[in-house]
Amino acid sequence: DAKTTQPPSMDCAEGRAANLPCNHSTISGNEYVYWYRQIHSQGPQYIIHGLKNNETNEMASLIITEDRKSSTLILPHATLRDTAVYYCIVRGYGGATNKLIFGTGTLLAVQP
Amino acid sequence: KAGVTQTPRYLIKTRGQQVTLSCSPISGHRSVSWYQQTPGQGLQFLFEYFSETQRNKGNFPGRFSGRQFSNSRSEMNVSTLELGDSALYLCASSSRTSGGQNTGELFFGEGSRLTVL
Repeated sequence: DAKTTQPPSMDCAEGRAANLPCNHSTISGNEYVYWYRQIHSQGPQYIIHGLKNNETNEMASLIITEDRKSSTLILPHATLRDTAVYYCIVRGYGGATNKLIFGTGTLLAVQP
Repeated sequence: KAGVTQTPRYLIKTRGQQVTLSCSPISGHRSVSWYQQTPGQGLQFLFEYFSETQRNKGNFPGRFSGRQFSNSRSEMNVSTLELGDSALYLCASSSRTSGGQNTGELFFGEGSRLTVL
């Protein structure tokens, strides 16, 4: 079972920041938080991952709370092309497998 | 460089038939995973291969099988198709760190959409 809880859907106005929350209260000390998104009819796309420090890349920022029980993915300037299902996944880094356990994700609808 | 390529993109089969799906990973990636996506169950892990060996397997019946070739290309096969096998089958490839660690960063193809009638 997925170790994360996400709201089923969110709306965001185009050009505004989209803040997608994720709860992972049972996360272990060596587990990372990964974010993927899936645009309709395409395969999932890796966005970002982090352990405890905030992370930023060209796509998004990841803010992880100090107790690591929740995190927020931030798309700073959402566009219509960011409309997708966003998945928050908890897993260990490294290890013998790349297996990902996807939950139901958050459908982000960016409105014009 | 080219992304993950899956063929065929769409196919229709009837119950009882079998199907083979193909996946070419990103050049240099040796790890290949397969996922099934259905409206009811979402994205579910099928199996994972590295260096021609199955490294992990999801909770699917034995009708689902796969293999990986020496060039890292992978195939999955579903025998005795059932209506419930209708799904989007996704392949993902990944590389490892120089120390041989799995990074969790997977690159997915666009999938093969199977319809079973």
